[in-house]
Amino acid sequence: AQSVTQLGSHVSVSEGALVLLRCNYSSSVPPYLFWYVQYPNQGLQLLLKYTSAATLVKGINGFEAEFKKSETSFHLTKPSAHMSDAAEYFCAVRSPGTSNQFYFGTGTSLTVIP
Amino acid sequence: NAGVTQTPKFQVLKTGQSMTLQCAQDMNHEYMSWYRQDPGMGLRLIHYSVGAGITDQGEVPNGYNVSRSTTEDFPLRLLSAAPSQTSVYFCASSSVGNTEAFFGQGTRLTVV
Repeated sequence: AQSVTQLGSHVSVSEGALVLLRCNYSSSVPPYLFWYVQYPNQGLQLLLKYTSAATLVKGINGFEAEFKKSETSFHLTKPSAHMSDAAEYFCAVRSPGTSNQFYFGTGTSLTVIP
Repeated sequence: NAGVTQTPKFQVLKTGQSMTLQCAQDMNHEYMSWYRQDPGMGLRLIHYSVGAGITDQGEVPNGYNVSRSTTEDFPLRLLSAAPSQTSVYFCASSSVGNTEAFFGQGTRLTVV
């Protein structure tokens, strides 16, 4: 069975500081990996996804994530936080095969302090 | 492009009432799913479908029914609403394989 763990349900950073949101997964086979962002009262939109072409994945709004198989991690980073980055972030894995289900972490709420 | 469309956006029900949440996608995706989002619990899968005529249960299926008569539509039925079903519901669709899920804007349901 797949599972996703996001360490830290709330993260606060100062504007201009590094953003680091952690995601670890458990999977018996290499999964597909995703980060989504949810702004207040909106649906989820894709930030980036791991396609196995490169371990460092660049997404929208300056975010990137690095797939580390040895650590079963897919942490999300952004060098310099902006006020508009304040949102809820979800890490997700998708199991290849017939079920194709998505499994989501419990989310990390990012606060950006001016 | 419409993408995934959910209706209604807001709904208040009395305990015991039934209702259907509508979900439609125009991307010809095989895979559709329903999630509920509750504070501190992330998104939990209710039911999913891998194609027309095929549905299966997710993590929290009790109290909900689904059907998939067409590729485009995947309605979620609450049989007898309970306060524990107060939540935000999201419908999502995707192709199979290494592709992302596309989400609707959500339905905020309150059961009183």
